[in-house]
Amino acid sequence: DAGVIQSPRHEVTEMGQEVTLRCKPISGHDYLFWYRQTMMRGLELLIYFNNNVPIDDSGMPEDRFSAKMPNASFSTLKIQPSEPRDSAVYFCASTFDSTGELFFGEGSRLTVL
Amino acid sequence: GNSVTQMEGPVTLSEEAFLTINCTYTATGYPSLFWYVQYPGEGLQLLLKATKADDKGSNKGFEATYRKETTSFHLEKGSVQVSDSAVYFCAPWMDSSYKLIFGSGTRLLVRP
Repeated sequence: DAGVIQSPRHEVTEMGQEVTLRCKPISGHDYLFWYRQTMMRGLELLIYFNNNVPIDDSGMPEDRFSAKMPNASFSTLKIQPSEPRDSAVYFCASTFDSTGELFFGEGSRLTVL
Repeated sequence: GNSVTQMEGPVTLSEEAFLTINCTYTATGYPSLFWYVQYPGEGLQLLLKATKADDKGSNKGFEATYRKETTSFHLEKGSVQVSDSAVYFCAPWMDSSYKLIFGSGTRLLVRP
């Protein structure tokens, strides 16, 4: 079975541009999580979905960030407008129950110049 | 609030040395406890877990025991290999909020 698939793997953009990160969870998983990893702040949970519905978005840093899950096999994380401090690796993870065993994608490394 | 504290890295060891990475947590109730590992350029993957007090999780020669009395979940391996070089994350799972709370991570470097 394919794991969690994220795209793009690398993105370099200029400040002010819109960035869209994509995630395809493992088939059958009904929980999807977006994390951000930086050297300064470590791994931060941004938002998670259950059955395509956002449950907790308290980690989303500000209104420039938005996430959607239009169906069970696709989610997006959008940053508009992007800023240099958004530079990080963004991970998507999915799971099929509430035990804490998450399956992570390989991440999307974002660099905002 | 809920939090987790890991020993700071990097930890540098020679091959076949004994490894301990300390982890303590603060949580309401009795969370399940996890260790995740991140190899260079990859996402995190589950290494081992324990779901209740005194449980021992183990995988690939790594072990950790759920110690409720000390709220700890220290990771150990008797003989590390170069291929174990990675970043290790301790993470309690909060059932009430469906969240994994990650520690800051401990980088392990094993030299031949």
